[in-house]
Amino acid sequence: KAGVTQTPRYLIKTRGQQVTLSCSPISGHRSVSWYQQTPGQGLQFLFEYFSETQRNKGNFPGRFSGRQFSNSRSEMNVSTLELGDSALYLCATSWDRGPGTGELFFGEGSRLTVL
Amino acid sequence: GENVEQHPSTLSVQEGDSAVIKCTYSDSASNYFPWYKQELGKGPQLIIDIRSNVGEKKDQRIAVTLNKTAKHFSLHITETQPEDSAVYFCAAGDSSYKLIFGSGTRLLVRP
Repeated sequence: KAGVTQTPRYLIKTRGQQVTLSCSPISGHRSVSWYQQTPGQGLQFLFEYFSETQRNKGNFPGRFSGRQFSNSRSEMNVSTLELGDSALYLCATSWDRGPGTGELFFGEGSRLTVL
Repeated sequence: GENVEQHPSTLSVQEGDSAVIKCTYSDSASNYFPWYKQELGKGPQLIIDIRSNVGEKKDQRIAVTLNKTAKHFSLHITETQPEDSAVYFCAAGDSSYKLIFGSGTRLLVRP
């Protein structure tokens, strides 16, 4: 059974550019959450999607956005990149009850470096 | 807002000793408390979880305790082995479709 797939794994951007990251969930998983991981800050919750609807979001500026497609695949976008956006972006999926109630399955992440 | 504090940030133990990581949460609505282990270059993986109607749960060398009154929960690893070396995250969640993580503990088990 394939795990959570995130692409690209590594990318380098410059300030002011925008980036799109992709997440393909485990087959049958309909909830997709996104987290930003930076040293010392742990995993910061960005947003969660289910059936193409955002059910909750964290405290990030509007430059961070996401969406989910009908096949449950999800993308997140960061516009007008800043140096502080350099981080590992993790996608986590689960069946349908959402991240606050059961096991999350994480991808290996997309490591973004902003120069 | 919701917050989960985790201590210590780093922990070094001798192989065979025990390791304890502690977390405190702020949202009284939290009722699900998982622990994740993250190895180098990989995403976090669930190792054990506990729900608010249970005070303690054990799985082989790993145990978790929960004190809802004090809003504390802890991870206990006994008879540590080098392969236990990793970053451990606690988290707290409820039915609001998000899970709040602590800042992580880097555990080093010295052979």
